[in-house]
Amino acid sequence: DAGVIQSPRHEVTEMGQEVTLRCKPISGHNSLFWYRQTMMRGLELLIYFNNNVPIDDSGMPEDRFSAKMPNASFSTLKIQPSEPRDSAVYFCASSILRSQGWKESNQPQHFGDGTRLSIL
Amino acid sequence: AQRVTQPEKLLSVFKGAPVELKCNYSYSGSPELFWYVQYSRQRLQLLLRHISRESIKGFTADLNKGETSFHLKKPFAQEEDSAMYYCALFLSGGYNKLIFGAGTRLAVHP
Repeated sequence: DAGVIQSPRHEVTEMGQEVTLRCKPISGHNSLFWYRQTMMRGLELLIYFNNNVPIDDSGMPEDRFSAKMPNASFSTLKIQPSEPRDSAVYFCASSILRSQGWKESNQPQHFGDGTRLSIL
Repeated sequence: AQRVTQPEKLLSVFKGAPVELKCNYSYSGSPELFWYVQYSRQRLQLLLRHISRESIKGFTADLNKGETSFHLKKPFAQEEDSAMYYCALFLSGGYNKLIFGAGTRLAVHP
């Protein structure tokens, strides 16, 4: 199992440019999460999907950020236009959520290596 | 409101000393808690989950519902334990998401 795969590992671009971050979750996982990590704010959940459907995007900082999950094996996080304050490490994670009637069975989240984004 | 508090940003100890990284939570439901570790410039990795009641790399954590705590402990710290440690609370009830604490950086000196 290759784990959660993110690309690119590093991205340096000028402000105003569009940035697209990519994530391939672990095969068979039905939940996908996008996080942002900064020194000032720590680890923040931006958005997550269950079965390719966005469930909670309350962490998305503003309209410049958007995320999609067109199928079970791929997700993108897009920033347009990018700003210097968007510089951070962006992590993708996936897990399995099984619903068994009223009770949910949660499995731990597995994280990717992250994308280190620098906006100049 | 659901919240995870890690009061220490940095914990600095010498090799062989005991370590306790504090974590307190606020949650009205039945809590499910995790510890994740992030070594320098690497991905977050699951270290412990309270329902497993296991010891990983010498670390243990006990859920104390009375004190709403889930402190991470190790009797003898090693230099390779130096990392960032995050405590996380799982929200059930259709949410399936983790609330992370701010993290504690553990520095183990020789």
